[in-house]
Amino acid sequence: AQTVTQSQPEMSVQEAETVTLSCTYDTSESDYYLFWYKQPPSRQMILVIRQEAYKQQNATENRFSVNFQKAAKSFSLKISDSQLGDAAMYFCAYRSASNTGKLIFGQGTTLQVKP
Amino acid sequence: NAGVTQTPKFQVLKTGQSMTLQCAQDMNHEYMSWYRQDPGMGLRLIHYSVGAGITDQGEVPNGYNVSRSTTEDFPLRLLSAAPSQTSVYFCASSYSYDHNEQFFGPGTRLTVL
Repeated sequence: AQTVTQSQPEMSVQEAETVTLSCTYDTSESDYYLFWYKQPPSRQMILVIRQEAYKQQNATENRFSVNFQKAAKSFSLKISDSQLGDAAMYFCAYRSASNTGKLIFGQGTTLQVKP
Repeated sequence: NAGVTQTPKFQVLKTGQSMTLQCAQDMNHEYMSWYRQDPGMGLRLIHYSVGAGITDQGEVPNGYNVSRSTTEDFPLRLLSAAPSQTSVYFCASSYSYDHNEQFFGPGTRLTVL
C-alpha cells in the first residue's frame, strides 16, 4: 500500500522569504502523480502544483516549485517570495496513474507567514 | 459551471441517527470520491466511484454507504451515526484520464453528539 508522510506539522516563514515543505512517500509503482494542495481557513482544497513521475523536470507554477527526487521518494514544495495569502494548511498527495479517483494524502503542514 | 457542490455545509446529529450527505458535479466527470478530514490525519478516502453504477471502498469505508445512479450525483449515507464519524467530509470529482486533478467541493462539517 502507498503511504505519504509530511513530518513537519507546522512551519513559519517571514514575508518575502523562501520556505520549503517536505514530503516523502512510499510506493512500488513506477507510474504515478504527486500533488500539493493548499487549504486556507475557508476549507476549500486548492491545487497548487502537480508532478508526473515520468517527468524528470521539476514542476513550477509562478512562486511555487517542487524538488522531485524519484529514487529517494521525496517531493518537497518550495514557496518563494512568501506572501501573507500563502498562510494555510498544505497537503502532499499521491495518486496512481491507473486511478484518478484515489488520492492518498499526507498529514498536512500548517504554514504561518509573519509580516 | 457550479463545479462540485455539497449540501449541507454544517450538520449536527445525535448518535444513532441517519443522514445523507449530498454531492453533485456538473463537469461530466467519470470519477467521484468521498474523503473525511480529521485533525493530524490529512484526508482519508471513504468510497469512490469510477462511473454510474460502479462504486468501491476506500481506506475507511465502515459505517458509510454510497451509490451512483447518475454521473452527476454521489450521495454518502450514514446509516447509524457515531461520535467517531464527527469530521469534515469532502466530495471530489475528476476525469478518468491520467493527468487530471481532482476538484473538491467546499466540505460538510458533521458533528455527532
